[in-house]
Amino acid sequence: RKEVEQDPGPFNVPEGATVAFNCTYSNSASQSFFWYRQDCRKEPKLLMSVYSSGNEDGRFTAQLNRASQYISLLIRDSKLSDSATYLCVVTLLDDYKLSFGAGTTVTVRA
Amino acid sequence: DADVTQTPRNRITKTGKRIMLECSQTKGHDRMYWYRQDPGLGLRLIYYSFDVKDINKGEISDGYSVSRQAQAKFSLSLESAIPNQTALYFCATSDFTGEETQYFGPGTRLLVL
Repeated sequence: RKEVEQDPGPFNVPEGATVAFNCTYSNSASQSFFWYRQDCRKEPKLLMSVYSSGNEDGRFTAQLNRASQYISLLIRDSKLSDSATYLCVVTLLDDYKLSFGAGTTVTVRA
Repeated sequence: DADVTQTPRNRITKTGKRIMLECSQTKGHDRMYWYRQDPGLGLRLIYYSFDVKDINKGEISDGYSVSRQAQAKFSLSLESAIPNQTALYFCATSDFTGEETQYFGPGTRLLVL
């Protein structure tokens, strides 16, 4: 079983729509959670950290559900520039190596 | 200028050849990492280094070796390249401050024929 699993998508949405997707992780000892964004053929970049209480950054909202071992990302009012692959990243407390999901691809159309 | 640079950006080589991928950073971070990315798979850790004297194997280190020449430089070598090492390779750095954010280089596309 993979440590971090994501629906690969693609999620094709019109501009202005809301899109949401989840990521599940297998290790209940996981401590830190992140969403990274990766544009086609480019390097991943940190989008946002995911906190236990949930957090927002503009149009992006991240949630953590420890009981069910998943995190989610919601994008409101989608823009064309939101088209990318979103990588779910999980780490344990004691070694700080990151475990990456394979990514969820979002395509926003005009 | 980019904080994390990788050379070469693209490379085509033949089976059995030795190849070195180089990574340099100006962020002053102690921690450096090498990953490979394959379609449909997440980034997988090859090697990591928490300082110049500390080198650790990741989950897929077989067929690879590394050298941490200085705080700012971390090189990845394929001693005898094989076709299934064709992938996109990323170098990353981090400076642990309680939250493990990693900063990635632009990647090296490697094709082994």
